[in-house]
Amino acid sequence: DQQVKQNSPSLSVQEGRISILNCDYTNSMFDYFLWYKKYPAEGPTFLISISSIKDKNEDGRFTVFLNKSAKHLSLHIVPSQPGDSAVYFCAAKSDNAGNMLTFGGGTRLMVKP
Amino acid sequence: DAGVIQSPRHEVTEMGQEVTLRCKPISGHDYLFWYRQTMMRGLELLIYFNNNVPIDDSGMPEDRFSAKMPNASFSTLKIQPSEPRDSAVYFCASSPWGVGKAEAFFGQGTRLTVV
Repeated sequence: DQQVKQNSPSLSVQEGRISILNCDYTNSMFDYFLWYKKYPAEGPTFLISISSIKDKNEDGRFTVFLNKSAKHLSLHIVPSQPGDSAVYFCAAKSDNAGNMLTFGGGTRLMVKP
Repeated sequence: DAGVIQSPRHEVTEMGQEVTLRCKPISGHDYLFWYRQTMMRGLELLIYFNNNVPIDDSGMPEDRFSAKMPNASFSTLKIQPSEPRDSAVYFCASSPWGVGKAEAFFGQGTRLTVV
């Protein structure tokens, strides 16, 4: 039973356009959400996060939106760059589970020059 | 700090052999996690420790898997005996304790191939 799901295994966008990566969750106890980026042969690296008390968090080209009622979050990258090509993982945690992160299956983003 | 350090980076072993993966977390971090990445299941949590104590090992697939954290700077994940279906990339991660400090820092992973 996957509590965090990324239904799109891959996404291809043109350089300069917007990339939108989606994530759905089922556990209403989740109160903190994170996005990680992973290049081949490297470990995932933290990208951006959002607390459940907010609906938007922005950091440069990256913005995360949270819709609690729909149990849905998305990561927007604009403008997309070829260096953004990687696998993106959505993750979530709840206060009553320590710092344990539950990850989605990942979405492979390919940004074409 | 050098970040989370995992060894070895690559491991190829024969079915039935014992495999030991090693991890050095970031100094001062209270939490240590072992994850496994596969094509089918993405990143799945195997076990995590808080202050060297195992808290949740419900993700450990079978009794063949065991993990220890003898001190704050070292952890091992052991598979005995190994099987081909254990082939995957194994990541160790650590994080500090604190409100809002949910970010985990990952090592570069150990790619395990069991033939």
